[in-house]
Amino acid sequence: DARVTQTPRHKVTEMGQEVTMRCQPILGHNTVFWYRQTMMQGLELLAYFRNRAPLDDSGMPKDRFSAEMPDATLATLKIQPSEPRDSAVYFCASGFAFGTNQPQHFGDGTRLSIL
Amino acid sequence: AQKVTQAQTEISVVEKEDVTLDCVYETRDTTYYLFWYKQPPSGELVFLIRRNSFDEQNEISGRYSWNFQKSTSSFNFTITASQVVDSAVYFCALSVWSGAGSYQLTFGKGTKLSVIP
Repeated sequence: DARVTQTPRHKVTEMGQEVTMRCQPILGHNTVFWYRQTMMQGLELLAYFRNRAPLDDSGMPKDRFSAEMPDATLATLKIQPSEPRDSAVYFCASGFAFGTNQPQHFGDGTRLSIL
Repeated sequence: AQKVTQAQTEISVVEKEDVTLDCVYETRDTTYYLFWYKQPPSGELVFLIRRNSFDEQNEISGRYSWNFQKSTSSFNFTITASQVVDSAVYFCALSVWSGAGSYQLTFGKGTKLSVIP
């Protein structure tokens, strides 16, 4: 089965450091989503892309977060500088924009801890 | 704005019992899609089922069944003869057209199901 691949699976770093999370969407999918999961807020949509173009990043703290898709096989989410409150599990998902009955397929997530 | 409410935060059942997970949604869109995802202790999110707003037919898949009722804006999920492997957090999600070029998922807070042997 095709899968969304996220790296790294775990990341522990100190406050102030830059963090880069990577996602390889399922081949052929034209939308990519970034979500953050915390105990308090649950699953929140941070940003999403269609055909590599950013459509909405209103869920993302703009001053420190950035999301890009350098090519169709790679999406990145960067945090600079990182803060302890960024500790969460970050999920990437991919799907079809116009596949109205298609689910988003999720990666296994990156568990991020900022000390 | 869209909203998904899963009123049950945690449920515990004894193995082989049936259990129903509730999901109530809010949207003004007439076209929308409903999903259930499972998140086992290992952390990944696993797609279980999708339903569109024009199809109120209930569905059964093995021990899983889903009851979609537009009149009450509910999309409930029942596990029959629960097993320990069913222990997980279950998320209900609502998908509507974002207007920005894609369907956007709104998740409920999840229901943690513990099946006790």
